Amino acid sequence: DAKTTQPNSMESNEEEPVHLPCNHSTISGTDYIHWYRQLPSQGPEYVIHGLTSNVNNRMASLAIAEDRKSSTLILHRATLRDAAVYYCILDSNSNSGYALNFGKGTSLLVTP
Amino acid sequence: GAVVSQHPSRVICKSGTSVKIECRSLDFQATTMFWYRQFPKQSLMLMATSNEGSKATYEQGVEKDKFLINHASLTLSTLTVTSAHPEDSSFYICSATPGSYEQYFGPGTRLTVT
Repeated sequence: DAKTTQPNSMESNEEEPVHLPCNHSTISGTDYIHWYRQLPSQGPEYVIHGLTSNVNNRMASLAIAEDRKSSTLILHRATLRDAAVYYCILDSNSNSGYALNFGKGTSLLVTP
Repeated sequence: GAVVSQHPSRVICKSGTSVKIECRSLDFQATTMFWYRQFPKQSLMLMATSNEGSKATYEQGVEKDKFLINHASLTLSTLTVTSAHPEDSSFYICSATPGSYEQYFGPGTRLTVT
C-alpha cells in the first residue's frame, strides 16, 4: 500500500479555517484519497474522498495537488466538535470493499 | 448515513473468561465486515476481515483460535475473545460497507480484562 505522511498534531482557533495536509508521493494512478476522522472514544467516520479533482461536501473540502502527490483537507470553519484525529488513507478500490490502512493521523485541537 | 452498532459498548471481564462483541449493520446489508483493534494513543490495526457465510481472514499475528469471528448473516458479525488476558484490553471497532465508497464504523467496544 502507498504510504501517507501527516503532521502529528495541529491546532486551530474556533471558527477559523483549518488546512490539514497529507503527503502521498508514492500514490498510484488508481489510488483514491480518503479522509476519515475519529472523535475521542468513538469509531472513525467518513469525511470525504477524491481521485483527481477537488471535492466538496457538507463536512469539508478536499484539495488535491495536480501531481496527486499531496492533498489538503479543508474545514472551512472549525468548531469544538471538529477536534479529532484525522486520517488520510489511500485506497485503490473506490468501493471500499477492502479494509482501510490507518496511519497515525493528525490530532486536531480546536481552541475557543 | 448508514448505521453500524456494537454491543456492548464497554465490558470488564476477568482473566481467563471469554467475551463476545456484536457488530450489526442496522439499515443495510454488509457482505463484508472488518474488525479493528486500537490500543491507547495508537491507530487502528486491522485484525480480520469477516465475510458472510465463510471463514474470516486474519491478519498476520492475530490468533484465529483466540479471536473467533462469526458472520452468520448479512447484518451481524461477532468477535469472541477467548481466554482473555490483560494484554487483550483494548478498543475493538468493527466496520461494514454496503458496497459503496464509504465504510461505516461502529462506535467501538472498550474491553478491560482484570
